Parts: sequence; C-alpha cells; structure tokens
Amino acid sequence: RKEVEQDPGPFNVPEGATVAFNCTYSNSASQSFFWYRQDCRKEPKLLMSVYSSGNEDGRFTAQLNRASQYISLLIRDSKLSDSATYLCVVNEISNSGYALNFGKGTSLLVTP
Amino acid sequence: DAGVTQSPTHLIKTRGQHVTLRCSPISGHKSVSWYQQVLGQGPQFIFQYYEKEERGRGNFPDRFSARQFPNYSSELNVNALLLGDSALYLCASSFAPIATNEKLFFGSGTQLSVL
Repeated sequence: RKEVEQDPGPFNVPEGATVAFNCTYSNSASQSFFWYRQDCRKEPKLLMSVYSSGNEDGRFTAQLNRASQYISLLIRDSKLSDSATYLCVVNEISNSGYALNFGKGTSLLVTP
Repeated sequence: DAGVTQSPTHLIKTRGQHVTLRCSPISGHKSVSWYQQVLGQGPQFIFQYYEKEERGRGNFPDRFSARQFPNYSSELNVNALLLGDSALYLCASSFAPIATNEKLFFGSGTQLSVL
C-alpha cells in the first residue's frame, strides 16, 4: 500500500477558478506535512508547510486532518503560472530513521 | 549565494557498472538527503545524512550507499546498475535534519540513464 496517495489528475481549470487537491497518508505516526511544487523538468520547491490548525499563504490554503489522515491544498483565483505538479509530502519516522515520503503528485493545468 | 549543486547533470552507464553522484549543499546547511525520481512519479527517499551520520534510509537495496564528508558535501553510490535505476537523482539540503519541520532546498538533479 502506497504510504502517501494523491489523485494524479490532470486537473484542467480555467484562469480564476478554485481548485482543491487531496492527499491521504497511511502512517498515523507521521509528524509533519508539506506541499511542494514541481515544474516540468525542474526540482521540487516548497510551497507551504501544513499545520494542524490549517494555514494560508495568499491564494493558497492548506488543511490537515490527523484523525482522517488527510491533507488538502486549496488554490483560489488560479493563475496560468500555477500550472505545475503539486507533491504532497509526509515526514515519518520508522525503524530506519526519519524519511520524507512524497506522493506521486497531482498535475494542474490552468488554461486561459 | 550558490544553491544546492549536483554533478554531473547527465550520465549514461551500462548495466553492471557503478556510479557516483555528488552533491554540495547550501553553505551552512548540515543535512543532505537523496531522492530517486522516476518519470511520472514523485521523488522516493533514499538516504538522509546529518553531521556525517546516516539519519534515515528508504526502501532501497544495499547496492545504494552514501556518505557525507566533513564539509557536508555528499556522494551517492550505486553498484551493479540495473535498467530500473534510470531516473533523476535529486539531492536536497537543509540546516537541520528532516526530523524537524525544516524546508528542503533541492538541486537540479542528475539524470542517470542505464543502457
């Protein structure tokens, strides 16, 4: 069973739309959570950390539900430049130490 | 300031060979982690090193090994290459270990092709 699961998409939305991505994780001992953005053929870059109380950064809102082991990312007023792959990332501890587990990513295409 | 640098950027090897990939973290960062990204998938965690000690290991065979040097740079070694090792290998650095809520900075990666 995949530890971090995301809907791969693609999500095709018009400019100005609101779009939401979901992510589930299997390890209830997971400690910290992130959304990274990856443009085509580029390295991942941190978009935002996800806190238990939920957090917002401009047009982006992240939510965490520990009971359901579920993380979400909401993008409001989508821009063409938001087109990218969004990676859900979970920091877990195991017998081998700490590990960052990435989902496969959700592809977003914002169209004019 | 230089970001995370990785070398080489591209590499072609044949099955059975070994490869060494290199990573220099951002100045002042003490933690380096390695990831394998196959096309269409998310990065998969391979190793983390902090202060020259291994702090985490992903689900990869023993053909994969790594180390961190006193200047915090790191090498990833892969022996007995298989076709399935073809991937983008990403290095990320951070000041603190990934046990904390620390932002990672990724290099541009090394694209390895095994023929």
